Amino acid sequence: DTAVSQTPKYLVTQMGNDKSIKCEQNLGHDTMYWYKQDSKKFLKIMFSYNNKELIINETVPNRFSPKSPDKAHLNLHINSLELGDSAVYFCASSLRETEAFFGQGTRLTVV
Amino acid sequence: AQSVSQHNHHVILSEAASLELGCNYSYGGTVNLFWYVQYPGQHLQLLLKYFSGDPLVKGIKGFEAEFIKSKFSFNLRKPSVQWSDTAEYFCAARTGYQKVTFGTGTKLQVIP
Repeated sequence: DTAVSQTPKYLVTQMGNDKSIKCEQNLGHDTMYWYKQDSKKFLKIMFSYNNKELIINETVPNRFSPKSPDKAHLNLHINSLELGDSAVYFCASSLRETEAFFGQGTRLTVV
Repeated sequence: AQSVSQHNHHVILSEAASLELGCNYSYGGTVNLFWYVQYPGQHLQLLLKYFSGDPLVKGIKGFEAEFIKSKFSFNLRKPSVQWSDTAEYFCAARTGYQKVTFGTGTKLQVIP
């Protein structure tokens, strides 16, 4: 299936831990994104990569570090997790300036 | 700074009622506009998009939206909603290179 897939779908972890979320797209897109959706459903862009290069880096704590090994992958690593990091994280991709396709989301719960 | 406003936070309608969800953006230049839908527990799916041309855009599932440049608006409409339209609806705008800004979303609840 052609899609944006992210793993894991659910992630429960303790404060202070380090965790990663992986994202892969097989749509041939050149741009990938990470969005955070909070408990009020507000969607905020965190990062955007185009051809493996970081082009958007919103005001996100340094504990969040994206890594793009190639155009088809954009992983998100989070250090020293805090309670406020609990949210749903969506990966998305697009081809140049066309619409974005979203992954299924990763529900992160920090306890 | 670019922003997208959705003034209706929660809309409750009976089946067969008509729907209009408001969306306004703040940007004077060229803008691409989108409406996404998020069904409960699912990811965002594209309903429709406007890039250029006819300002009345038709999307999937009977939805349409009208781009009115003078009002900076891109309202979503559907003549007759169904229970299955219950979802969260997000308006989004792309201005500048690949940055898409989302509105705060409108929760639509359709009562059978």
